[in-house]
Amino acid sequence: DQQVKQNSPSLSVQEGRISILNCDYTNSMFDYFLWYKKYPAEGPTFLISISSIKDKNEDGRFTVFLNKSAKHLSLHIVPSQPGDSAVYFCASQNSNYQLIWGAGTKLIIKP
Amino acid sequence: GAGVSQSPRYKVAKRGQDVALRCDPISGHVSLFWYQQALGQGPEFLTYFQNEAQLDKSGLPSDRFFAERPEGSVSTLKIQRTQQEDSAVYLCASSPTVLNEKLFFGSGTQLSVL
Repeated sequence: DQQVKQNSPSLSVQEGRISILNCDYTNSMFDYFLWYKKYPAEGPTFLISISSIKDKNEDGRFTVFLNKSAKHLSLHIVPSQPGDSAVYFCASQNSNYQLIWGAGTKLIIKP
Repeated sequence: GAGVSQSPRYKVAKRGQDVALRCDPISGHVSLFWYQQALGQGPEFLTYFQNEAQLDKSGLPSDRFFAERPEGSVSTLKIQRTQQEDSAVYLCASSPTVLNEKLFFGSGTQLSVL
């Protein structure tokens, strides 16, 4: 029973264009969402988060959008850069400590 | 190095062998987590410590898995009588507060059970 789903295992985007990574969740009680980025042989690093009281949060080139009625969130990266090539995980915090993670989307930025 | 440190980086064990994985969290961090990550999957929660107290161990797959953090800093995850299905990357993460709004991860220990 996957409570957080990332349906695209991989995504390829041209450098300079927009990357859009998607995530769906099933539990309407989830109220805090996070995106983590992971390079090979390293642990995940925190990228950006959003609370359910908001529908958008922006940090530089990264913007996360939350659509509560659709139980859907997305991460926009614009413009995409080669260093953005990594695996991106969507996660939901369902208590003050438990994170439920998606399976990840591998983003490849083509030069 | 102010990050979360995990050792060993790689561990190969024969089936039935006991292993111990170490995590040095960022100094002063209250919260410590262990996660298990299978190939192609997201991390799965194993256990959570707040200082030395293990508040949740509901994610530990079996009683062969045991974690401790006796002095509220370094933590050890022990797996007894390892089996092939235990092969995974084991990630440790720490957080400065109990709100756990942002976790800092180590690079993980890749365990291969033959």
